[in-house]
This record gives sequence, structure tokens and C-alpha cells, in this order.
Amino acid sequence: DVKVTQSSRYLVKRTGEKVFLECVQDMDHENMFWYRQDPGLGLRLIYFSYDVKMKEKGDIPEGYSVSREKKERFSLILESASTNQTSMYLCASSAGGFSSGNTIYFGEGSWLTVV
Amino acid sequence: GENVGLHLPTLSVQEGDNSIINCAYSNSASDYFIWYKQESGKGPQFIIDIRSNMDKRQGQRVTVLLNKTVKHLSLQIAATQPGDSAVYFCAENSWNQFYFGTGTSLTVIP
Repeated sequence: DVKVTQSSRYLVKRTGEKVFLECVQDMDHENMFWYRQDPGLGLRLIYFSYDVKMKEKGDIPEGYSVSREKKERFSLILESASTNQTSMYLCASSAGGFSSGNTIYFGEGSWLTVV
Repeated sequence: GENVGLHLPTLSVQEGDNSIINCAYSNSASDYFIWYKQESGKGPQFIIDIRSNMDKRQGQRVTVLLNKTVKHLSLQIAATQPGDSAVYFCAENSWNQFYFGTGTSLTVIP
């Protein structure tokens, strides 16, 4: 069974705090992704990584950074959380390196509220 | 990003009826498509996929149809059950990028 695990399901943080969202996959996938999901906007790609220590900006990278030190782990970092970053964050992974045609699997999501 | 949209934001069906959820895509180069189901408060769950060299694929109670001529994708759910109530959205894959629709909310009426 495929498994993408997001360590924090619900977080409440204060404006200006540094926030870490952790994601681990057990499928030995090359690609990992971070999305945010907001009502009416669907899924928007923040960052993705197709190999260890590699990262690529997605559509909305501003205010975020990522870290991929190990193949199975992909972390999303909010350097200074702001209220407009209140959202559901979804981690995902897929096999195959930089190519298409591989199923993308999602974690259960992390609900972040910034107050 | 790509324009991957759904024709209807909500759909209500009677339990036992068949459901059809539609999706339009705009990138002719997309060669792989996925349907996801997302229940409230949970992450998207893979349902079924189809590659561009096929026009139909069947799973358990679900069928995906792909019409490349009009760039249209549909998900058919047979004998819809209350547990099928969720948001369904499609994804298209092109050059290792995935583009997602905003979703259709399916409500099953007992």
C-alpha cells in the first residue's frame, strides 16, 4: 500500500512564527511535491523536488522554502508565517524522476491556521 | 497553469443511480490523466487513471472515458452509494507537471 505521511494534521501558529511541515513517503519515489488547497482555487503547486537536494519552484513559492535531505522526506518551511498562509497543505509523491505518466499519491493533509 | 476545469461544481444523485462527472482540459500534449476522490477533511485518494493511448478504462464500479478530440474526460460511477459522496477532481499530466481541476462535489441522496 502506498503511504505518504504528513506528521502534523492540525496546527495553529502565530504570525511571524517559523513553521515546519514534514512529509515522508515509503514508496522510494523520486518526485515529491507540496501543494496548498484553498476553496474555489483547487490545488496550487508550491515546490517540488525530483531528487535528493533538488528543488524547483512551483506556481506560488513566495513565502515558502523546502528541504529534501533524504529521498523519503520532503519538508515545507514557512520562514515567517502570515495569515494569508492559512490553508490546507498537501504533500504528494510520484515515481520516475523527471518524466510524465506516473501516478501522484497524496498525504492526508495538514491544516494550518495562522493567527 | 493549465486550464483543467469541471463543468459543474455540484452534483446530486439518488442512491443506486449512475453518476457522471465531467472534466475539460486544454493541453493537447497531456498524456496521462487521473481521477481523485477527496472526502471532507482528508487528502485526495487515487481512483482511476488513463493514458492518452486509450479512450476507456474500467475499474470497480468506475469507468473513465477520454475524448482527445474535444479534450474531455469523464468519470462514471455505477450504482452510486452514500460512501461515494465526496469532491471529485481530475488531473492532467504533462512533462512531469500535474494540473488539477477545482472539483465537483457529489452528494448521494439516500
